[in-house]
Amino acid sequence: DAGVTQSPTHLIKTRGQQVTLRCSPKSGHDTVSWYQQALGQGPQFIFQYYEEEERQRGNFPDRFSGHQFPNYSSELNVNALLLGDSALYLCASSLRQGIHEQYFGPGTRLTVT
Amino acid sequence: AQKITQTQPGMFVQEKEAVTLDCTYDTSDPSYGLFWYKQPSSGEMIFLIYQGSYDQQNATEGRYSLNFQKARKSANLVISASQLGDSAMYFCAMRDRDNFNKFYFGSGTKLNVKP
Repeated sequence: DAGVTQSPTHLIKTRGQQVTLRCSPKSGHDTVSWYQQALGQGPQFIFQYYEEEERQRGNFPDRFSGHQFPNYSSELNVNALLLGDSALYLCASSLRQGIHEQYFGPGTRLTVT
Repeated sequence: AQKITQTQPGMFVQEKEAVTLDCTYDTSDPSYGLFWYKQPSSGEMIFLIYQGSYDQQNATEGRYSLNFQKARKSANLVISASQLGDSAMYFCAMRDRDNFNKFYFGSGTKLNVKP
């Protein structure tokens, strides 16, 4: 049973560019949440997708957008990259009606130069 | 607002000894869930243990136990018989009151286990 997978593992971009990160949830999970983890900090909630719609959003600008596909996989897009967007981006999957833990992927390390 | 505080940026423990990682939380909701995750250098967050606010007993999972003191709003993680593989970042998290799949994380504690 495959867990949560993310691609790519690492990514280097320059300021002003756009980036797309991908996530495949754990088999059977229907909800995907994205978190940003800056160096030395805990993860911060970006947004969550369920039934192909953004259901809730954290305190992140509109430069951060996403998508969920019919197979529950998800993409995170960041436009007009800033140096401060450098972070580990974590994808977490869960069941919409779940009450316990989320399963996290290994993350994508984004470096903006 | 829900908030998690971890005041120990780094901790050292001798192999085979027990260690306690501190976590305090703030919420006005009577029903809540608390989690601990381990994050090795590889980056993946690994679920360790869960404590519900109405659980009568402290949660335990193998070498991990949670010292839950509701009145003090603390949920400390106790790792018994530390192993070298326990060296990692540890995060305390709380579930959002309305969205069970949205978590608030603390800033983490870096645990180093010495041989």
